[in-house]
Amino acid sequence: KNEVEQSPQNLTAQEGEFITINCSYSVGISALHWLQQHPGGGIVSLFMLSSGKKKHGRLIATINIQEKHSSLHITASHPRDSAVYICAFSGGSNYKLTFGKGTLLTVNP
Amino acid sequence: NAGVTQTPKFQVLKTGQSMTLQCAQDMNHNSMYWYRQDPGMGLRLIYYSASEGTTDKGEVPNGYNVSRLNKREFSLRLESAAPSQTSVYFCASSSGASGNTDTQYFGPGTRLTVL
Repeated sequence: KNEVEQSPQNLTAQEGEFITINCSYSVGISALHWLQQHPGGGIVSLFMLSSGKKKHGRLIATINIQEKHSSLHITASHPRDSAVYICAFSGGSNYKLTFGKGTLLTVNP
Repeated sequence: NAGVTQTPKFQVLKTGQSMTLQCAQDMNHNSMYWYRQDPGMGLRLIYYSASEGTTDKGEVPNGYNVSRLNKREFSLRLESAAPSQTSVYFCASSSGASGNTDTQYFGPGTRLTVL
């Protein structure tokens, strides 16, 4: 049973479109992480949040603790945003992150 | 400032062979982690080291051993490789100041194939 569910699994968009990727989790958490993995493998942390909303450039992450749900939004999408976006949560007393399976985003020019 | 480095980038082993994956970080982080990534599955924690001198099992530790050599370096050893250990391995580190709410920084990964 995967405690983190991401949707959609795959997403294709045209350049300029507004993108939303969703993440639902089933347990209490300390923090919710969004990460980006480009083809070729490198993984980069985009956001860590435990409440509300964070914004970096064209990326916005939101979390609703009561509904156990987080969203990652990309405004004015660009082909360089093409990557796998991964949601993960941390919780409890240990250092473990529980990862979702990722959403493959392809942005076409 | 290289961040987190891993060696080797690629490795092919035969069943039963042993090898060590090396990881080093130059950010003075206390905590380090080893993950594996398999198709269709999320990243899974193999072992972690909350601080120098300590190591703990993660989700999938069987078949692996680790050594936290010093604050910078955290190695992962496969004593007798099996085809089920074919995977991409990522090392990560975090400051350790906030426990499980720290941002983790990842290395570039090691692609391992066991024949």
